[in-house]
Parts: sequence; C-alpha cells; structure tokens
Amino acid sequence: QLLESGGALVHPGGSLRLSCAGAGFDFGARAMSWVRQAPGRGLEWVSAISAGATITSYADSVKGRFSVSRDNSKSRFYLQMDSLRPDDTGIYYCARASIIYDGYFFDSWGQGTLVTV
Amino acid sequence: EIVLTQSPATVSLSPGERATLSCRASQSVSSYLAWYQQKPGQAPRLVIYDGVSRASGIPDRFSGSGSETDFTLTISRVEPEDFAIYYCQQRRNWMYTFGQGTKLEMK
Repeated sequence: QLLESGGALVHPGGSLRLSCAGAGFDFGARAMSWVRQAPGRGLEWVSAISAGATITSYADSVKGRFSVSRDNSKSRFYLQMDSLRPDDTGIYYCARASIIYDGYFFDSWGQGTLVTV
Repeated sequence: EIVLTQSPATVSLSPGERATLSCRASQSVSSYLAWYQQKPGQAPRLVIYDGVSRASGIPDRFSGSGSETDFTLTISRVEPEDFAIYYCQQRRNWMYTFGQGTKLEMK
C-alpha cells in the first residue's frame, strides 16, 4: 500500500528527493510522515504533512534542510532533502497516520528506501 | 519536546515466559501512546494504540496498559515470533517522538 523510491548514494552537501506512493486507500484523507533509521539505530521521526498539506512539521535535526510536500491527485508525497550530511544516512520509511484519534500513530508503513551520504 | 524513555534496553526471556516492557514520557501524553514491533530487515508494525488497544491482527497475548506518563506493553507468554525490538511513540502539536527501543531476545 505504501511504496518508497528515490533512495541513492549521494555526496555530503548534495540533494535527493524521496517519493512515496500510496494505493488502496483514500490517500487524500490521511496525514503522512517520513521516519528514518540509521544503521543499527532506532526509529527517528523526520517530517509530517497533514491530509490537505496545510500543516507541515520537521524534526530539529532536519529543519531548514528538508521539505515535505504532497500531490493528492497522484496519491504521492515527497521529501526533498538538501545539504545532506553523513548522519542523514539510513533507511527512510513513509508511514500513514491513523484515521482515528487525530492521526497520532502510524497504521501502515512502506518497506523503506536507503539513503547513503 | 516530549522524551520517551524505554526500559529495559534488552530483556532476555525463554518462550512461554512473560515479557513486561516499560515506556515513560517526560510529560503527560494522556492515553495517546502507540507501540510498534520491528524485526530485522522489516518495517515497523503497529501493535498497540491508545495505550491499550490492539491493532488488527495482533494476538491477544499482547496487551497494553497505562496513561499519562507511564505505559507498559505486556506479552503474556512469549512466542518465538515475538522476539524483536519494540518502540513506543507519541505525538503532540504535530511533533512525533519514539522511544529508543527495547530488544526482546531469546535466552
């Protein structure tokens, strides 16, 4: 239901754009998030975007460097990553927020895409 | 930012034993806390939401309890497929945080 793409090997200071395609549900009704996991480390939330794209939020570690957006007509959302650093390396998961309880938890996850800086 | 602290970092048990995993929040999150299970090479999977509600397809040996700042995930009798890392998670004002994880390993 969620499929990420765009992960690659990039040099420090470079840019990358990740994409997540949703299928099988009303994409435009769900907030979405990016969550990453550095090698051998825990989960770190990166960014979120509300269903109508009126609200975006970022972890302090990426604020000012990453930008989240979505295109509900294509059932896709994106993470533009600029000024990449080695500590941005990891698997990036897209995650669907729940339809209940104001979407505070994630009820579906993609399989992830690997970013190496 | 609300910090979630999980304990212990690792718990070693044999199949059939009871597992008790803890998550403590630095501020009250009411009941808005979720738990996830992650196995090696796999994406996380929702286990518990709202502190106490099992997600779809989760066996009833999994249960959640707690509110405000102290939460517990209990596995009544651990099965071999339950050995994994478990994370708690909350959201406030569109800022999400995860705990650092508890690894449930086989003794």
